[in-house]
Amino acid sequence: QKEVEQDPGPLSVPEGAIVSLNCTYSNSAFQYFMWYRQYSRKGPELLMYTYSSGNKEDGRFTAQVDKSSKYISLFIRDSQPSDSATYLCAMSAGNTNAGKSTFGDGTTLTVKP
Amino acid sequence: NAGVMQNPRHLVRRRGQEARLRCSPVKGHSHVYWYRQLPEEGLKFMVYLQKENIIDESGMPKERFSAEFPKEGPSILRIQQVVRGDSAAYFCASSPKQSGGYTFGSGTRLTVV
Repeated sequence: QKEVEQDPGPLSVPEGAIVSLNCTYSNSAFQYFMWYRQYSRKGPELLMYTYSSGNKEDGRFTAQVDKSSKYISLFIRDSQPSDSATYLCAMSAGNTNAGKSTFGDGTTLTVKP
Repeated sequence: NAGVMQNPRHLVRRRGQEARLRCSPVKGHSHVYWYRQLPEEGLKFMVYLQKENIIDESGMPKERFSAEFPKEGPSILRIQQVVRGDSAAYFCASSPKQSGGYTFGSGTRLTVV
């Protein structure tokens, strides 16, 4: 079993829809939770970074972490065609296994105009 | 501000040759990470380095792969005697501290023929 499981997709939505992207994990030591966006043939770009449980909002993006359920989500409101990309969740344990992030396999999102 | 600079962007090597991938982190970032992304797969951790030190190499294959981050100059990922299975995108990332999100480079796409 992988440490981080991500809903595989692909996901196709109309412009303006609310998108929900999800990951589950098994390692209770994870404390830092990240979402990256990766366009084709490019490097991942950090979108959101959350420490421990709770919600974090940045513009149209909201990240949620539920450590009790070992479940994280990224919501995209008013989705745009430019949001079409692969979204990767990532997690790290902080002081233990310092520095190393474990990534999900990604969910490919297409937003249709 | 320059981001993470990786070169070359594309590298073609014949089986048995050596591949040297270079990474210059964001100015002021002292933590460097290398990840490998195989086609249709997620990012897999390889190694985490600070200046002149390998902190975590738990993801590095035991043979043929090595990494360094010298006091002066870029970080180098070296693959000796490449095989076709080494064909992948290799991403370097850097961060100002050991926990939290990274800044990724655009990657080096290695093709072994």
